Amino acid sequence: AQSVTQPDIHITVSEGASLELRCNYSYGATPYLFWYVQSPGQGLQLLLKYFSGDTLVQGIKGFEAEFKRSQSSFNLRKPSVHWSDAAEYFCAVGSNQAGTALIFGKGTTLSVSS
Amino acid sequence: ETGVTQTPRHLVMGMTNKKSLKCEQHLGHNAMYWYKQSAKKPLELMFVYNFKEQTENNSVPSRFSPECPNSSHLFLHLHTLQPEDSALYLCASSQTGTGDTEAFFGQGTRLTVV
Repeated sequence: AQSVTQPDIHITVSEGASLELRCNYSYGATPYLFWYVQSPGQGLQLLLKYFSGDTLVQGIKGFEAEFKRSQSSFNLRKPSVHWSDAAEYFCAVGSNQAGTALIFGKGTTLSVSS
Repeated sequence: ETGVTQTPRHLVMGMTNKKSLKCEQHLGHNAMYWYKQSAKKPLELMFVYNFKEQTENNSVPSRFSPECPNSSHLFLHLHTLQPEDSALYLCASSQTGTGDTEAFFGQGTRLTVV
């Protein structure tokens, strides 16, 4: 069965510092991987996705993520965090099998200090 | 209006009430989903509809009753809910009913059961 683990429940980063949010997945075949962001009281917005090809993918708002098959990881990074990046971040995994849907991790809450 | 729209945004209901949540997507997608988001829990997939047919029901209690009259509209009918059903209910849509395409989310309905 597919599963997603986000080891960090809450991370605080200084504004302007770099950020890395961890995501590990469990899936037998090549997974389809996603990162979403959720601001308070809002729905989820897609940041980026990985289906195949280049293992480093670029997303919106200056985010990028790297797929590492050997580590079953898909970590999200940003070189310089802005205060507006404070939100909850969700990693998700999916497959192309019929009758499946995205499986989400528990999320990581990002706080940005000035 | 574009994207995925959910109404109402907030709902307070008693345990003996009957209410319905509505979701509408203007993206031309074929699949729609209901997710439940509770505090400190991962997003829980409740129902999946693909081409108006229910393809997944994750052991959801019968007090939650989905309805999908067409590919653009999805309802969640609620009756005799419990306080632990208080949560953010998110609707999403995607091109297909599998996990290899990104899901687009509505802003959610914040449900409080009193």
